Amino acid sequence: QSALTQPASVSGSPGQSITISCTGTSSDIGGYNYVSWYQQHPGKAPKLMIYDVSNRPSGVSNRFSGSKSGNTASLTISGLQAGDEADYYCSSYTRSSTLVFGGGTKVTVL
Amino acid sequence: EVQLVQSGEEVKKPGESLKISCKASGYSFTTYWIGWVRQMPVKGLEWMGIIYPGDSDTRYSPSFQGQVTISADNSIDTAYLQWSSLKASDTAIYYCVRRLGIRTFDLWGQGTMVTVSS
Repeated sequence: QSALTQPASVSGSPGQSITISCTGTSSDIGGYNYVSWYQQHPGKAPKLMIYDVSNRPSGVSNRFSGSKSGNTASLTISGLQAGDEADYYCSSYTRSSTLVFGGGTKVTVL
Repeated sequence: EVQLVQSGEEVKKPGESLKISCKASGYSFTTYWIGWVRQMPVKGLEWMGIIYPGDSDTRYSPSFQGQVTISADNSIDTAYLQWSSLKASDTAIYYCVRRLGIRTFDLWGQGTMVTVSS
């Protein structure tokens, strides 16, 4: 199972909005509404930010939103803050009944 | 508090065996799948496999099938990841994760760093 494709890095200034893409195939992202996004700060465990394409767990800021079109999912962070600087990973359920991750995107706040 | 607490850092030599643990608390251990995710140095996340403690049903990613063994002890709400013969390429951080339904990992352990070096 190949990893999902994410850009290596995305940057933005405080207050701006940024969008991270995650591209898969019809066997994963395109076939199911089971896309998740995780945030990982350096030296910390990943934290679930979005599940089922666009749902936020309790406690996650509404500045984080998710969407999907075809085989590509997206995470948008609005009102970018210094604390949002981290690595972000997408994942999707697959036809093989497994979960596959993206390669990760480093978000830099300028 | 709902949490997964993993065992501590390990330093091993190639060829040695190892079993790391993940203790669950704050929820019903036997009603959620628990899995393991590998993160190699400065790399992304890889799903390794998963076990349902309720009936010990275990699934492995093809990349890790035969390389590791996942198990669980319901009497102490603990899941395990085991190697019989470590390789240098097993050097990584290993996270245990709780799976929500079939679709996401909603709870993560703090990670266990495993270093394999001669």
